[in-house]
Amino acid sequence: EPEVTQTPSHQVTQMGQEVILRCVPISNHLYFYWYRQILGQKVEFLVSFYNNEISEKSEIFDDQFSVERPDGSNFTLKIRSTKLEDSAMYFCASRLPSTDTQYFGPGTRLTVL
Amino acid sequence: AQSVTQLDSQVPVFEEAPVELRCNYSSSVSVYLFWYVQYPNQGLQLLLKYLSGSTLVKGINGFEAEFNKSQTSFHLRKPSVHISDTAEYFCAVSVPTGGGNKLTFGTGTQLKVEL
Repeated sequence: EPEVTQTPSHQVTQMGQEVILRCVPISNHLYFYWYRQILGQKVEFLVSFYNNEISEKSEIFDDQFSVERPDGSNFTLKIRSTKLEDSAMYFCASRLPSTDTQYFGPGTRLTVL
Repeated sequence: AQSVTQLDSQVPVFEEAPVELRCNYSSSVSVYLFWYVQYPNQGLQLLLKYLSGSTLVKGINGFEAEFNKSQTSFHLRKPSVHISDTAEYFCAVSVPTGGGNKLTFGTGTQLKVEL
């Protein structure tokens, strides 16, 4: 069964450094999402992406964040200058245009020191 | 804006006992409703969803949920739990706008099944 994959599974970085989290959505899906879950808190929406542009973003998704689909398979989340409070589990999700079911990847745990 | 409330942060239950995990939502428009499960150190897996039609929805692993519009609830139930059901369960809503359809999650309920 096709699934969403994410790399790396765990990323440790120093405050102020740039990080890129990578996702490979399910191949025929066209809507892509990033969510995050700070330890002990709820899963929060960050951004949705369709047709090579952002369709919606939350107030969390400020100028430090960007997303890109650099080729036909990858979907990336970049954090330009990480802060301590960016430490969280980041989930990628994707879906077909014809359904409302989002399929999630296993997540990348980002630790900012 | 939509919101989801999961009142129970933890639910301990003995194996083979029934369980109900509560979920209430708030929205001024019609929503789609979902339950996701997160096993330790894994991602979110869809258990079941309500989009329209029958208010009783059956999902994987023997779980079911009932949509109650008047009470704005979507409680998850299983008649007999197994040790392997120990996990975090998240209720979520989305608004069918035809656009991004972001998910809004509740805070989660940790189900702990004991022998």
